Amino acid sequence: SQTIHQWPATLVQPVGSPLSLECTVEGTSNPNLYWYRQAAGRGLQLLFYSVGIGQISSEVPQNLSASRPQDRQFILSSKKLLLSDSGFYLCAWSIGTASDYTFGSGTRLTVV
Amino acid sequence: AQSVTQPDIHITVSEGASLELRCNYSYGATPYLFWYVQSPGQGLQLLLKYFSGDTLVQGIKGLEAEFKRSQSSFNLRKPSVHWSDAAEYFCAVGDNAGNMLTFGGGTRLMVKP
Repeated sequence: SQTIHQWPATLVQPVGSPLSLECTVEGTSNPNLYWYRQAAGRGLQLLFYSVGIGQISSEVPQNLSASRPQDRQFILSSKKLLLSDSGFYLCAWSIGTASDYTFGSGTRLTVV
Repeated sequence: AQSVTQPDIHITVSEGASLELRCNYSYGATPYLFWYVQSPGQGLQLLLKYFSGDTLVQGIKGLEAEFKRSQSSFNLRKPSVHWSDAAEYFCAVGDNAGNMLTFGGGTRLMVKP
């Protein structure tokens, strides 16, 4: 069966520090992969999506970047975190046409 | 571009009362529609989805949603709410390629005893 792993679950980082959040998918090949952010009291904002290795589309220009070094690995990064980067980050995958997403359990990032 | 509006940010209902969460979408073709639920600090769980066919869709946890093309709506309903239903609910619309889901802002449901 397909599973999605996202870590860490919580993270507290100082302003200006780097960030790396990892998401991996098991049990499927060539999934579409997504990073969403949920800021406090707000809905889900799509940050990046990828339809294949090395293919990244950015929906919102910001302090973050994404990479897909392997088929089932999706990484969210920042060189220098800002306070406004705090939020709940969700990774998701889908496959095929008209598919729903499967979400990871999320990472709570607090930038202090 | 597709978009989703959930007009109610917060809703409070009494346990045992009926529930309706509103969702309106904008999409140029026949939409793919979804409802997800998020418990505090957790990821999202799919409740139900509409692709085609019967416009009344049954989901998990006794939930149902009705697609009304004339109103561009996909409201979520439950006849009797339980305290465990308290959570945040998200409506989403998908494009025909299945590559992109656009989410509404969410509705936070609170249940009074």
